[in-house]
Amino acid sequence: QKEVEQDPGPLSVPEGAIVSLNCTYSNSAFQYFMWYRQYSRKGPELLMYTYSSGNKEDGRFTAQVDKSSKYISLFIRDSQPSDSATYLCAMMDSNYQLIWGAGTKLIIKP
Amino acid sequence: AAGVIQSPRHLIKEKRETATLKCYPIPRHDTVYWYQQGPGQDPQFLISFYEKMQSDKGSIPDRFSAQQFSDYHSELNMSSLELGDSALYFCASSLGGLRSRTQYFGPGTRLLVL
Repeated sequence: QKEVEQDPGPLSVPEGAIVSLNCTYSNSAFQYFMWYRQYSRKGPELLMYTYSSGNKEDGRFTAQVDKSSKYISLFIRDSQPSDSATYLCAMMDSNYQLIWGAGTKLIIKP
Repeated sequence: AAGVIQSPRHLIKEKRETATLKCYPIPRHDTVYWYQQGPGQDPQFLISFYEKMQSDKGSIPDRFSAQQFSDYHSELNMSSLELGDSALYFCASSLGGLRSRTQYFGPGTRLLVL
């Protein structure tokens, strides 16, 4: 079993919908939680990172961490076709290495 | 703003050949990371350098080696290439050493081994 589990999708939603992307993890020592967006044939782009439990908002994006459930989420409000990409969650372990989820492919239909 | 630069962007090699991938980090960034990403897979950490010294090693095969130069650019050298080495190779850079939470990724080098 991987340390970080993420549904690969694809997840297809209509434009304007609220998108919910999720990851679960098994290592309770993870402290930093990141969300990266990766367009096809491009490098991952850091969207947000959070420390410990709680919410963090940046524009249309909200990252949520629930350490008690070992569950993190990324919400996208008012989704746009340009949001279509693969979203990867990543967590930093005690060695400061990034442990990645498999990525969820998101498709926003106009 | 300047980003991470990788060259070449695409590379085609035959089995048993060698390849050298180059990475130019964001100016003033002191840490470089190399990742390998297979089709539909998450990035796999290969190796990292901080201030020109190897700082951490992941799943890098013995056939691969890397170094960081005095100008902070890094090169990944791959020898005896195998078909399974075909992948996207990403370089990322950060400021502040390995404890930095913000790695900035380059566009990647797509390597195809025939």
